[in-house]
Amino acid sequence: DVKVTQSSRYLVKRTGEKVFLECVQDMDHENMFWYRQDPGLGLRLIYFSYDVKMKEKGDIPEGYSVSREKKERFSLILESASTNQTSMYLCASSQGAGVGYTFGSGTRLTVV
Amino acid sequence: SQQGEEDPQALSIQEGENATMNCSYKTSINNLQWYRQNSGRGLVHLILIRSNEREKHSGRLRVTLDTSKKSSSLLITASRAADTASYFCATDPDSNYQLIWGAGTKLIIKP
Repeated sequence: DVKVTQSSRYLVKRTGEKVFLECVQDMDHENMFWYRQDPGLGLRLIYFSYDVKMKEKGDIPEGYSVSREKKERFSLILESASTNQTSMYLCASSQGAGVGYTFGSGTRLTVV
Repeated sequence: SQQGEEDPQALSIQEGENATMNCSYKTSINNLQWYRQNSGRGLVHLILIRSNEREKHSGRLRVTLDTSKKSSSLLITASRAADTASYFCATDPDSNYQLIWGAGTKLIIKP
């Protein structure tokens, strides 16, 4: 089975800290995605990548950046964490267009 | 951006009953997918139905797609307590890697 692993299930950070959320997939998928999920707002796409070193902005990229130096790893970076970035962060990968996504277990980030 | 609308927002049924959830969308699609999310966890892909298909089955799941009405339904037969979860539909408008997500239906199965 394809596995997408997010480095932390729960994370608590202070306002202003630089935060790294790591995501690793083990099935050589081309595409990787970062979403945040908030009650009443559903899944919102932050960034995605369809190749190494490629990145595309999603719907809500402000305050975030990403890095994809290797095919299997897609990192989400909060440059200066703020309380409104408290959320569930979900990483996903897919083999290509027109196929389902495989999600990680999620990281619940709290910024205090 | 969201284009899928699930209906109902929440559904509570007795174990053993069938559960039906609906999804409507706005633009033409290449495929539509259903996912399950258990509380506090990631999403799990359940089933994908392509725009040229009308019905698809997977175990106790049955998905229908009506492209003329821009709607889909997910039927879970003989529900179990373990089916308690949120269910999301997602549409693939033009196979450009991005899915468009609905807000989800919260399903509760009462023992």
